[in-house]
Amino acid sequence: GNSVTQMEGPVTLSEEAFLTINCTYTATGYPSLFWYVQYPGEGLQLLLKATKADDKGSNKGFEATYRKETTSFHLEKGSVQVSDSAVYFCALSDQTSYDKVIFGPGTSLSVIP
Amino acid sequence: NAGVTQTPKFRVLKTGQSMTLLCAQDMNHEYMYWYRQDPGMGLRLIHYSVGEGTTAKGEVPDGYNVSRLKKQNFLLGLESAAPSQTSVYFCASSYWLAGGRYNSYNEQFFGPGTRLTVL
Repeated sequence: GNSVTQMEGPVTLSEEAFLTINCTYTATGYPSLFWYVQYPGEGLQLLLKATKADDKGSNKGFEATYRKETTSFHLEKGSVQVSDSAVYFCALSDQTSYDKVIFGPGTSLSVIP
Repeated sequence: NAGVTQTPKFRVLKTGQSMTLLCAQDMNHEYMYWYRQDPGMGLRLIHYSVGEGTTAKGEVPDGYNVSRLKKQNFLLGLESAAPSQTSVYFCASSYWLAGGRYNSYNEQFFGPGTRLTVL
């Protein structure tokens, strides 16, 4: 079946550091891939998405490239801010299970001044 | 356009009490979901619905019931609350974008959550 694996957290970075959160997936169809972000005390919200191989999703300075050859969708940001402190979830959707989204376990990020 | 709203935001129950959590969406989405989020456990799907009048079990359905009498509302019920049901509950709604082989997906929109404590 479909699955999503993320790097274990928590991740603690200093402000302006480079961020990478690894995500790999297993899927039987043609998945679309997502990153959701959950700020403290809030629900999840979509950060970015990519729907086919080699697509790059981007938003708020974050980027992720859909790599079919390595089944990966790593999240990156060149310079993190304190306001980026949140939990980040990698997720997958495809036609074999159109009525559900598979979420990774989440990676907690803390950015310190 | 309020998106997905949840009522209540916080609730404290005693063991054995019952309650209903209400989720409402104004985006005309067909699909709706209830998740619970516990420390170190990520999101776990409780029940979901693919249309008005339908419900289906998710990963952790025991102890919960749901109803989808109207397209815009999805109710989660706890008949006899237990301390193990202490959690943060999130509702989500979504649609299936049928864009062909490489552009079809289910994008979910989440509510702000309900924090439930069972003593």
